[in-house]
Amino acid sequence: SQKIEQNSEALNIQEGKTATLTCNYTNYSPAYLQWYRQDPGRGPVFLLLIRENEKEKRKERLKVTFDTTLKQSLFHITASQPADSATYLCALPFSGGYNKLIFGAGTRLAVHP
Amino acid sequence: GAGVSQSPSNKVTEKGKDVELRCDPISGHTALYWYRQRLGQGLEFLIYFQGNSAPDKSGLPSDRFSAERTGESVSTLTIQRTQQEDSAVYLCASSWGREGLGNIQYFGAGTRLSVL
Repeated sequence: SQKIEQNSEALNIQEGKTATLTCNYTNYSPAYLQWYRQDPGRGPVFLLLIRENEKEKRKERLKVTFDTTLKQSLFHITASQPADSATYLCALPFSGGYNKLIFGAGTRLAVHP
Repeated sequence: GAGVSQSPSNKVTEKGKDVELRCDPISGHTALYWYRQRLGQGLEFLIYFQGNSAPDKSGLPSDRFSAERTGESVSTLTIQRTQQEDSAVYLCASSWGREGLGNIQYFGAGTRLSVL
């Protein structure tokens, strides 16, 4: 069955550094991959989508890569700020279900001043 | 409305009671999803509605769980004879539901259910 793995340990970094979060998946080849941000007590908020034929996507301080050979996506936040502290979730469509997503458990990022 | 609205925001109930959770999706979104999120865990898919098609109920954990959606509007998730393990945040999301748009999902703030 499909499986998504994100580092369950929190990532602690200093303000101004680049945060890198990892999402690994197994057992299929998704057409796209998404990243969401979730703050405590709130629903996830969409950040970026990258398709299988794209190697990299950028949006302001965010960058996502998608390596379909390694079955891995990396999510980078450059010049991180304390306001970037949140849980970041990756999501992939279910195999055979383009519109249905399976979410990773998320990685909590804490940016310290 | 401007976003996905869920009510109530918090619900405390006694074991064995039935509860109804409501979701108002973004106007025009044909797809609607329910997820469960236990404390410190990821999102667990429950059910998916797409337009007037039969819903995908493959994620419902037991027959105590059911959901309805009227057309492309409001949805209600019902949990009968609640158990303590049902305690979680129940999240609703909606999307345009069209292939090619990458199925970006817009979430409500969730309903926090506590079963005593």
